[in-house]
Amino acid sequence: GAVVSQHPSWVICKSGTSVKIECRSLDFQATTMFWYRQFPKQSLMLMATSNEGSKATYEQGVEKDKFLINHASLTLSTLTVTSAHPEDSSFYICSARARSELVYNEQFFGPGTRLTVL
Amino acid sequence: GENVEQHPSTLSVQEGDSAVIKCTYSDSASNYFPWYKQELGKRPQLIIDIRSNVGEKKDQRIAVTLNKTAKHFSLHITETQPEDSAVYFCAASIAGGFKTIFGAGTRLFVKA
Repeated sequence: GAVVSQHPSWVICKSGTSVKIECRSLDFQATTMFWYRQFPKQSLMLMATSNEGSKATYEQGVEKDKFLINHASLTLSTLTVTSAHPEDSSFYICSARARSELVYNEQFFGPGTRLTVL
Repeated sequence: GENVEQHPSTLSVQEGDSAVIKCTYSDSASNYFPWYKQELGKRPQLIIDIRSNVGEKKDQRIAVTLNKTAKHFSLHITETQPEDSAVYFCAASIAGGFKTIFGAGTRLFVKA
């Protein structure tokens, strides 16, 4: 149980294009999903917290107009990197928090999406 | 906000030896402390976690201790094996706060 999928697993795009990444909880309902970015040899940096049916909460320094997050259902959240530039190249990982986790914040991670912007 | 510090950044041990990774956190309201193992290019995998109502938890070769007073927690891996080589992240989370803050990571090398 507690499987989170991400699609695509990798993507290469030209500078200026937009890229959409999907995060799905396959066997549980996720009231909250998190989006992280990880640069090589660095830690996971939280970008935003996505709650089903409401606007995402972005961390300081993360441009909400550039990283559009939509959490349309209890099993799907999407991250769209708009007008991507080479500096946006990174490993993007989502995680999902189960609806039943009311007290502790146990999360389940997706496999990640490697974005390369040329 | 919460801040998690992790040490060391790199750890090299001989196969069979023990490895210890230490983390400190800043917010006394944190109540959930997971540890993740991440291999290159893969997702973080939860290996063990501890909640604030216990001081120690063990799962085979892996153990975690928590000192709430000092606000630090540690990961202990005994009888290390080459397949334990990976990056390990500690994290801290506040009840109801939803956010999980990660440490900077420790790159563990286990030499055969």
